[in-house]
Amino acid sequence: GQQVMQIPQYQHVQEGEDFTTYCNSSTTLSNIQWYKQRPGGHPVFLIQLVKSGEVKKQKRLTFQFGEAKKNSSLHITATQTTDVGTYFCAGLSGTYKYIFGTGTRLKVLA
Amino acid sequence: NAGVMQNPRHLVRRRGQEARLRCSPMKGHSHVYWYRQLPEEGLKFMVYLQKENIIDESGMPKERFSAEFPKEGPSILRIQQVVRGDSAAYFCASSPGTVEKLFFGSGTQLSVL
Repeated sequence: GQQVMQIPQYQHVQEGEDFTTYCNSSTTLSNIQWYKQRPGGHPVFLIQLVKSGEVKKQKRLTFQFGEAKKNSSLHITATQTTDVGTYFCAGLSGTYKYIFGTGTRLKVLA
Repeated sequence: NAGVMQNPRHLVRRRGQEARLRCSPMKGHSHVYWYRQLPEEGLKFMVYLQKENIIDESGMPKERFSAEFPKEGPSILRIQQVVRGDSAAYFCASSPGTVEKLFFGSGTQLSVL
C-alpha cells in the first residue's frame, strides 16, 4: 500500500538554529498538508500545497511541494522553543484519503 | 463555533469489554475520519465516513471494530472484546469536504488492562 515516510525521525536543535523535515511518498499525491502536534495534544493544520513546485511561507516556516508531487519539505528558520512538537505531512491519495507521514519530532534546546 | 468534540478523553477497559468512542464533528462538517496513534508513532488511517455512509474502512480491522456516522448524533467507533494491543490514542477529524483541511478532536486515550 501507499507509504509516506519522513526524515529525520527526531531532531534536536539549539534555539535559533534552522530545522528541516522531508516527506516522501511512494506514489504521486493530489495535494499535501502539514500538521503540527504538540506533546500531549492533537494535530493542528498548518498548510496545504496543491501545485507542482509550489512554495508557501508562513512567517518563519517555508513549505515546498516537489515537482513530481511525491515529496515535500518544511523548513523552520531560527527555531524557537514554541516550535517544539511533532510535524506530520499528510498526502492526499485519490480524492479523500489522507495518509500521514511517520512524523519528525523536534526538540528545541534553549 | 465549537471544535471537534471527542469523548471520553480517557477510557479504561478490561480485556474482553467493549469500548465506544464518540466524535461530534464541527458544525457543517459531513466528513469524518478516524485515526489511531501509538506513542511516538504516526497517525494510522482507520475509516472515512460521510453522513450515514462508510466510504472507506480499509484501515480498520474487520473483526471487533466498527464505525458509524448516523444522520443524527455523533460518529461512533466501537471496539468489541478489547485486547491489550488496542491501547492507543484514537483521533477523530472532520472536514467540510474531501479536499479540505482536517480539524482534529482532542482524542480518546484507550487503555486496556
